[in-house]
Amino acid sequence: GQQLNQSPQSMFIQEGEDVSMNCTSSSIFNTWLWYKQDPGEGPVLLIALYKAGELTSNGRLTAQFGITRKDSFLNISASIPSDVGIYFCAGQYNTDKLIFGTGTRLQVFP
Amino acid sequence: DGGITQSPKYLFRKEGQNVTLSCEQNLNHDAMYWYRQDPGQGLRLIYYSQIVNDFQKGDIAEGYSVSREKKESFPLTVTSAQKNPTAFYLCASSMFRTRANYGYTFGSGTRLTVV
Repeated sequence: GQQLNQSPQSMFIQEGEDVSMNCTSSSIFNTWLWYKQDPGEGPVLLIALYKAGELTSNGRLTAQFGITRKDSFLNISASIPSDVGIYFCAGQYNTDKLIFGTGTRLQVFP
Repeated sequence: DGGITQSPKYLFRKEGQNVTLSCEQNLNHDAMYWYRQDPGQGLRLIYYSQIVNDFQKGDIAEGYSVSREKKESFPLTVTSAQKNPTAFYLCASSMFRTRANYGYTFGSGTRLTVV
């Protein structure tokens, strides 16, 4: 099945650093979503984007819906230890099934 | 509070046995989904259902079966035909007929281990 290209695959950063990750698709979407999965748990929705060019924040997290509608970006500022986990992007066109990215594994060191 | 509940959290199965994973939601969502996640891997779709008494195969349906007799429930059976069933299984639900796509709500997962 189709999966979105998500990069980087993993990141090892120091507490306090900023983080950037992105997701690209070969087809357009009209919804982009970002999820976080804590170890041993299900993914939880962080941010939803519905319009090309849209920039949305949720605390230290900021996500953008790419102008081409084929990509999205997530930034985390001033990382803390509880940011550890796997971050998934997901794209959706109308009421089609979500297409998930391959995930970015984030590790934060004190 | 509304949510989606998976049980049990941990499950052990002997080789050759069938086992059923439970998924219940009280969000009044139309659609439900089952995903499989292997260590360090992404999410792979097993089966999904958009309406009661109807379901479709996902990308890796072989060795699995489902039923959707009630809107709230979407159990997954891992059969003995599944050659490598040890994995983390995630259930999700969503509103199907909506222009505002709020994505999927996930359960907390069931970790299945074959012993």
